[in-house]
Amino acid sequence: QSVLTQPPSVSAAPGQKVTISCSGSSSNIGNNYVSWYQQLPGTAPKLLIYDNSQRPSEIPDRFSGSKSGTSATLGITGLQTGDEADYYCGTWDSSLRDVVFGGGTKLTVL
Amino acid sequence: EVQVVQSGAEVKKPGESLRISCKGSGYSFTSYWINWVRQMPGKGLEWMGRIDPSDSYTKYRPSFQGHVTISVDKSISTAYLQWSSLKVSDTAIYYCACGRDYWYFDLWGRGTLVTVSS
Repeated sequence: QSVLTQPPSVSAAPGQKVTISCSGSSSNIGNNYVSWYQQLPGTAPKLLIYDNSQRPSEIPDRFSGSKSGTSATLGITGLQTGDEADYYCGTWDSSLRDVVFGGGTKLTVL
Repeated sequence: EVQVVQSGAEVKKPGESLRISCKGSGYSFTSYWINWVRQMPGKGLEWMGRIDPSDSYTKYRPSFQGHVTISVDKSISTAYLQWSSLKVSDTAIYYCACGRDYWYFDLWGRGTLVTVSS
């Protein structure tokens, strides 16, 4: 059971927009920065978003992040088949004093 | 090129010891925290612990404390994850993940597959 809760799967058509939610508590998301990672099949995770909404320079602006209270959201616009992957949220948990991840969400681009 | 290169796949028997490595290049090695992240077959990501290469300060997730050791040799820009006695349940991919801050990881290795089987 992950500390952060993500939907197991989401799907959308090419060109459409999708959002992936990540729910936590005041000890993690509520008072700490959230990051998002993309893991393409058979590869290592890659940082998409850090500090709630910041993108590394190489990440296209189709990817966005936001946070409100104890929840965070990853948005992906202009979906491409190459976006099919597992997506993980992560943050620091001040009570556990650990980095915690969500269970992951599998994105299918129909 | 900024990268971290991990050692190759390992096949071990229960009770054996193992050390896997993660070598950084193309950046200031002591400026990034080095974390180890486990991914068991078909499962999600689990943070195991981190080390500060500048002073070797180490923090473990409690569930991994005492079972693994994280260390670093900054003279060769290399971090290590080691076990003294492997279990079948240690079978997983282990990622080295580096971050300028301790709460996110912007540089990942390709992972080291560790298979423990009798």
